[in-house]
Amino acid sequence: DQQVKQNSPSLSVQEGRISILNCDYTNSMFDYFLWYKKYPAEGPTFLISISSIKDKNEDGRFTVFLNKSAKHLSLHIVPSQPGDSAVYFCAASANTGNQFYFGTGTSLTVIP
Amino acid sequence: DAGVTQSPTHLIKTRGQQVTLRCSPKSGHDTVSWYQQALGQGPQFIFQYYEEEERQRGNFPDRFSGHQFPNYSSELNVNALLLGDSALYLCASSWGIYTSNYGYTFGSGTRLTVV
Repeated sequence: DQQVKQNSPSLSVQEGRISILNCDYTNSMFDYFLWYKKYPAEGPTFLISISSIKDKNEDGRFTVFLNKSAKHLSLHIVPSQPGDSAVYFCAASANTGNQFYFGTGTSLTVIP
Repeated sequence: DAGVTQSPTHLIKTRGQQVTLRCSPKSGHDTVSWYQQALGQGPQFIFQYYEEEERQRGNFPDRFSGHQFPNYSSELNVNALLLGDSALYLCASSWGIYTSNYGYTFGSGTRLTVV
C-alpha cells in the first residue's frame, strides 16, 4: 500500500525555467514532509521540509507547498540549473514516530 | 566531518545464505534507521535503533534483524536470503528518535545482489 505517491517518473526542464515536482499522500496522520535529492551512487540528501502547520516553506531556489485538504505537496525549483538533475523523493511521517514513507521518486533532467 | 559510512558497498550472496551489513552514523548522531530500496522504488523503512534497542519496525519479516553498539554504529542482518532481498540498503542517522527539520543523513548504501 503506497501511502506516498509520485506519479511522474520523469521530468525534463530547460535551464532557467521552473521545475515543479508533485507528490500525493493518502494518510491524513502525516504531519511532516521532506524532499530528498539523490544522485547516482550516492545516498539521498535532505533538501527541504515542511510541517503540516505551514502551507509553504522556502529555501533559496527551493520552495515546498503543502495543500492538506488535497493531500498534495509540490516542490518548486526556480531557476532550474543543470546541477539539479537528480532523482527527487518525497517523504512523509506521522506523529506516531520517526518512520518515513517515501514516494517512488521523480527523475529531473535540466537541459542546458 | 565524516558522514554516514556503510560497508561493504557491494555484495553478492547466494539464496539461503545470511548477510551482515554495517553502518557508522554521522558524528554526533545517536540514532540509526535502515531502509531497503528496491529497483525503481522509494526507500522502505526496515527498523530504527536508538540506545541499542529497536524502537520502530516496518513491515519486514523476522529474517531481518539488527543491532546497535555502544558507539552508535549498527548492523543489519538478513537470514535465509531470497532473490527478492536484492536491493540497495540504506543506513540513515539522526540525533534522537525524532528527526529535526533536517531529516536524516543517509549513507551511500550497500548494493546486495542475491543469486
